Order: sequence, then C-alpha cells, then structure tokens
Amino acid sequence: AQSVTQPDIHITVSEGASLELRCNYSYGATPYLFWYVQSPGQGLQLLLKYFSGDTLVQGIKGFEAEFKRSQSSFNLRKPSVHWSDAAEYFCAVAAYNNNDMRFGAGTRLTVKP
Amino acid sequence: DAGITQSPRHKVTETGTPVTLRCHQTENHRYMYWYRQDPGHGLRLIHYSYGVKDTDKGEVSDGYSVSRSKTEDFLLTLESATSSQTSVYFCAISDPDNYGYTFGSGTRLTVV
Repeated sequence: AQSVTQPDIHITVSEGASLELRCNYSYGATPYLFWYVQSPGQGLQLLLKYFSGDTLVQGIKGFEAEFKRSQSSFNLRKPSVHWSDAAEYFCAVAAYNNNDMRFGAGTRLTVKP
Repeated sequence: DAGITQSPRHKVTETGTPVTLRCHQTENHRYMYWYRQDPGHGLRLIHYSYGVKDTDKGEVSDGYSVSRSKTEDFLLTLESATSSQTSVYFCAISDPDNYGYTFGSGTRLTVV
C-alpha cells in the first residue's frame, strides 16, 4: 500500500521568510498527491493536488508544490510566510481510484513575528 | 465544513459502552470516509463507503463498524469502546470526478 513520510515534525520560520515542507511518498504507480492544512480544532482543508501534467502545481493561499518522481517527493513551498499560516500541514497520497488516501504524520508550522 | 457535518462534536463515554458517530452530507457525493487522528500518526482510514450499503475496511478497522442506509448519512459505531479508541474522528466525502476530500470538523471522543 502507498505511504507518506513527512520528515519534519515541527518547523519554525519567521514571518516573511520562505517555507518548504518536505514530503516523500511510496507508491508503485503514478500517485495522486495532496497537501492539506489543519488549523487548531478544525478539519483539514485542501491546499493543492497533483494528478498528472505540469509537475509544479499552484494551490490556495499562495502555496505551491513540486512533484519530483526521481526523488519520490512532493514538497510544499511558499515564498513569504504570514502569521496566519501557522497550522499543521499534512501530505497525502492516494491510489488511482482515490479510495484509500494515506496521510503523513504531519508537520506543525510555527511562525515567529 | 460546508456540506458535511459531524455529530456530536465532543463525547465522553465509558469503557465497554457502544458509541455511534454520525456524518451527514448535503453534497450527494458517492464516497464517504471515516478517519481517526492521533498524534504522530496523522490520519488513518477506518472504513469507507462507495455507495448505499456498500462499505469496505480501511487501515485500522478493528473494533469499528459502519453503516450507510442513505446517501447522505454514514455512521461509525464502536461496539464496545476502549481507551485506545480515544481519538479525534473525521468524516470526509469525495467526488470521483474531482479528487481531493472535503473533511468535517471532527468529533473528539474520550473513552474513560
């Protein structure tokens, strides 16, 4: 079955600094990849998704992610972080039928003023 | 989130008692899912449904059962709650033509 690893449990960045959250996946075929964000006490909100085509995908709130097949990675980036970006971020991978989405353990982002 | 609601939002129950959590959607999506979220584990799939009366097991289904008698409702039942089932439970829905799940706000269940 597919799996996801998020190597960083917790990241702290200063407001205005750039951000990169790492995600590595394991899946035998072309994966469907997702990034979700979760604010405290809330459900998960979809930031962006990749199925095929252009390996650089744009999402909401100024986020983007790049699919690199050779590295089995799907890292999330943002050029300039805002204090409101503080949250937990989850990378996820699904098989072609999208019926078994596996999530990473999450990366908690703290933004320093 | 809009179109999907979970009830109750919080529940405390005693070990050995049955518990049912409800997920209700107004989007008419075919697929519905139950996940549990625990620190260090992210979200893990418990059960999912691909239509009325059509369900299947996920990664961590032991101790849980589900039912879907109507498109809009997906019930998760803990037949005999244990402390290891203390968790936050999320329901999600998806549209096969538009990948990516929509999540409910979660139910925090504490088994004492």
